[in-house]
Amino acid sequence: GESVGLHLPTLSVQEGDNSIINCAYSNSASDYFIWYKQESGKGPQFIIDIRSNMDKRQGQRVTVLLNKTVKHLSLQIAATQPGDSAVYFCAENGRDDKIIFGKGTRLHILP
Amino acid sequence: EAQVTQNPRYLITVTGKKLTVTCSQNMNHEYMSWYRQDPGLGLRQIYYSMNVEVTDKGDVPEGYKVSRKEKRNFPLILESPSPNQTSLYFCASSFISGQNMGTQYFGPGTRLLVL
Repeated sequence: GESVGLHLPTLSVQEGDNSIINCAYSNSASDYFIWYKQESGKGPQFIIDIRSNMDKRQGQRVTVLLNKTVKHLSLQIAATQPGDSAVYFCAENGRDDKIIFGKGTRLHILP
Repeated sequence: EAQVTQNPRYLITVTGKKLTVTCSQNMNHEYMSWYRQDPGLGLRQIYYSMNVEVTDKGDVPEGYKVSRKEKRNFPLILESPSPNQTSLYFCASSFISGQNMGTQYFGPGTRLLVL
């Protein structure tokens, strides 16, 4: 069945370093992928998205890479800051209009 | 201010007592959705709606009902709550961009405890 998962439940990164959060998806028909950030006590917040006709998209300090061959999605955060500490979710939009979320990766920023 | 609001934010109830969690958005979004978030399971979609009077089941619809009589509102109804519905619930909305759901805006969450 469809599933979206993350490779690591927790990731610790030194402040100032780059963070890479990975995600695997199983539905090759999915054509839209989204990364969300969820801070403690809040709802998920959109970070960046990518459509299946692209393999890379850049935001202000974030980059999403999509590898359709291996069904892999990653979120890169440049120069990680304390405010980046949160749980990050990938999500896919399949052909049936459902949104499927991964289980999340908690990003810890080390001083 | 563009936002999704949910009420109540916190609710403690007993098994079998019907309850409704309201969700409202002021962005004229077509798409609205309900999720539950549980430790180790992430966010799971309960129901979604593509527009007024159009609703569809998500991955975990059992024990829930929804309605979409107006574009801005999408209430979640638990006719007979059970303890396994204790969870953190999020409502979300977005425009429908082509065949995708666009950017989803999430509400602040409703924490429900069913005794």
